[in-house]
Amino acid sequence: DILMTQSPSSLSASLGDRVTITCQASQDITTYVSWLQQKPGKAPELLIHDASKLEIGVPSRFSGSGSGTHFSFTITSLQPEDIATYYCQQYDTLPITFGQGTRLDIK
Amino acid sequence: QISLKESGPTLVQPTQSLTLTCTFSGFSLPSPGAGVGWFRQSPGKAPEWLALIYWDGDERYRSSLKTRLTITKDTSKNQVVLTLANIQPADAGVYYCAHRRLGFGELFDNWGQGTRVTVSS
Repeated sequence: DILMTQSPSSLSASLGDRVTITCQASQDITTYVSWLQQKPGKAPELLIHDASKLEIGVPSRFSGSGSGTHFSFTITSLQPEDIATYYCQQYDTLPITFGQGTRLDIK
Repeated sequence: QISLKESGPTLVQPTQSLTLTCTFSGFSLPSPGAGVGWFRQSPGKAPEWLALIYWDGDERYRSSLKTRLTITKDTSKNQVVLTLANIQPADAGVYYCAHRRLGFGELFDNWGQGTRVTVSS
């Protein structure tokens, strides 16, 4: 199975801050990475696919980059509604695997 | 608009079987490339992929659960059913079904709201 190592596991930031989460894959997965947002009690929601492609309707303050084994996810200006847990996920090879998650809250 | 909704028992006794139904709309499972997957999530943990069924009936399972899992589809009802045999306390959590996006490998883009399963006698 492909291991996705995500960091940090938790993050406190102020409104308006730039926030970055990283994810490292245990093998080359080209750009088959997605980033999901999950708010408490809700299903995960797809924000980014193919490492950097924003889903329709997702605010442009969210972005992703990377290829191969190193990936990152950035929120350029943190908003109150961004408080959630974020997961990276690889879909290059079954089984689909997730990072451990990053819990983001307001400082 | 794609929509999925999970249904099934909220409480299951250990050693029993769990049967969950995913009822979907907004896409056709017989369409080439289509698929529906199942995931689960334990409290405080990342989601975990369980199984996937493709438009042509091909099935894929998480290897550690392969002997206990069965996924089937009923295209006339727009439903996909997941069965997990010999359920244990470690199987408790929220179970989600999700839509596989056409042409993007194993990317799942729309998730159901989830259904919570408790395992207890």
